[in-house]
Amino acid sequence: DVKVTQSSRYLVKRTGEKVFLECVQDMDHENMFWYRQDPGLGLRLIYFSYDVKMKEKGDIPEGYSVSREKKERFSLILESASTNQTSMYLCASSSLYGTSGGSSYEQYFGPGTRLTVT
Amino acid sequence: GEDVEQSLFLSVREGDSSVINCTYTDSSSTYLYWYKQEPGAGLQLLTYIFSNMDMKQDQRLTVLLNKKDKHLSLRIADTQTGDSAIYFCAEIIMDSSYKLIFGSGTRLLVRP
Repeated sequence: DVKVTQSSRYLVKRTGEKVFLECVQDMDHENMFWYRQDPGLGLRLIYFSYDVKMKEKGDIPEGYSVSREKKERFSLILESASTNQTSMYLCASSSLYGTSGGSSYEQYFGPGTRLTVT
Repeated sequence: GEDVEQSLFLSVREGDSSVINCTYTDSSSTYLYWYKQEPGAGLQLLTYIFSNMDMKQDQRLTVLLNKKDKHLSLRIADTQTGDSAIYFCAEIIMDSSYKLIFGSGTRLLVRP
């Protein structure tokens, strides 16, 4: 089974702090993603990465940065946390090949980190 | 732009069928997905359908795809209380790379 883990389930930080959210996957997936989930808004893509040291902006990258130094690890960084970044953060990974061996691009998600910025 | 729309809430009685609907915008989407999210958890892939299919069945789940109307539905037969969750549909957008666009999710409540 694909396993995607996130470093914390719950996190409370103060405004202005630098925050690191870590994500690790164990299936040698090329692709990794960071989303935030807010009620009524679904999932919004923050950043994604298709290879080590490679990153691309998603729909809402402002206030965030990412790092991918190793294939299995993708970190989300909040440079200076603000209260409007209070949210659920979800990490996902995918391969170019689905479980059946064909390309289906499905993403596998971690359990999420609920971040509160006070 | 890209948008996936779902109704926000559905309530059914245990044992009845549930039908969750979704509309998407990108007619070139090759894959469409249904994910389930239980309270406090991440998203779990339930099923997906390739765009050249009209229907896919997997045990209690039936996915119907109407490409002309860009409409996707998920039918859960014999709905159980354990099916109570948020269900997200998603379409894949492929340009220079690829990404999934998610709907806002439908909260399914199963009443005993």
